[in-house]
Amino acid sequence: ETGVTQSPTHLIKTRGQQVTLRCSSQSGHNTVSWYQQALGQGPQFIFQYYREEENGRGNFPPRFSGLQFPNYSSELNVNALELDDSALYLCASSIPGQGRETQYFGPGTRLLVL
Amino acid sequence: TQLLEQSPQFLSIQEGENLTVYCNSSSVFSSLQWYRQEPGEGPVLLVTVVTGGEVKKLKRLTFQFGDARKDSSLHITAAQPGDTGLYLCAGADGQNFVFGPGTRLSVLP
Repeated sequence: ETGVTQSPTHLIKTRGQQVTLRCSSQSGHNTVSWYQQALGQGPQFIFQYYREEENGRGNFPPRFSGLQFPNYSSELNVNALELDDSALYLCASSIPGQGRETQYFGPGTRLLVL
Repeated sequence: TQLLEQSPQFLSIQEGENLTVYCNSSSVFSSLQWYRQEPGEGPVLLVTVVTGGEVKKLKRLTFQFGDARKDSSLHITAAQPGDTGLYLCAGADGQNFVFGPGTRLSVLP
């Protein structure tokens, strides 16, 4: 069974640009959650996808959007990048378990916005 | 919005020492998880606690969930350099998890 993978590992963009980050979930997992982790902080929940539908969203503006595909892989899109978007973006796959599920995190994509 | 606080923020100790880190909230969580994150990697789940007062042991790590399910602690016995990392607690909040800011532990040989 393969683990959660993310691409790219690192990315440098400039303000105003758009970025797409990708995540392949662990085999058999139908739920993907995306988190933003700023330097020195814990991960902050962006949104979750379950069977291709958004299933919860954190306090992030609409320029953060996502997709989940039939194979349960996922994309995070960020439009109109701002300097404060510089962070480690983590995705985690899981099987729903009423708050007791194990989330398997990928290694993250480190985004730097200049 | 449910918030989690963790203390201390940083901790540097010598190999062989014992330590306790704390996770506190004013909110009740149905479950709480502890993760360890190493540089360049995503967090890895260590334990999930569900019942108030629950104690779980994982080798040299002991996790406790407060009776009121608002706080938790992680105790490490005889710390080793391999324990170095960022320790995060996360409380279940509906469909997602709320993470604390973490305790960064450094165990010196």
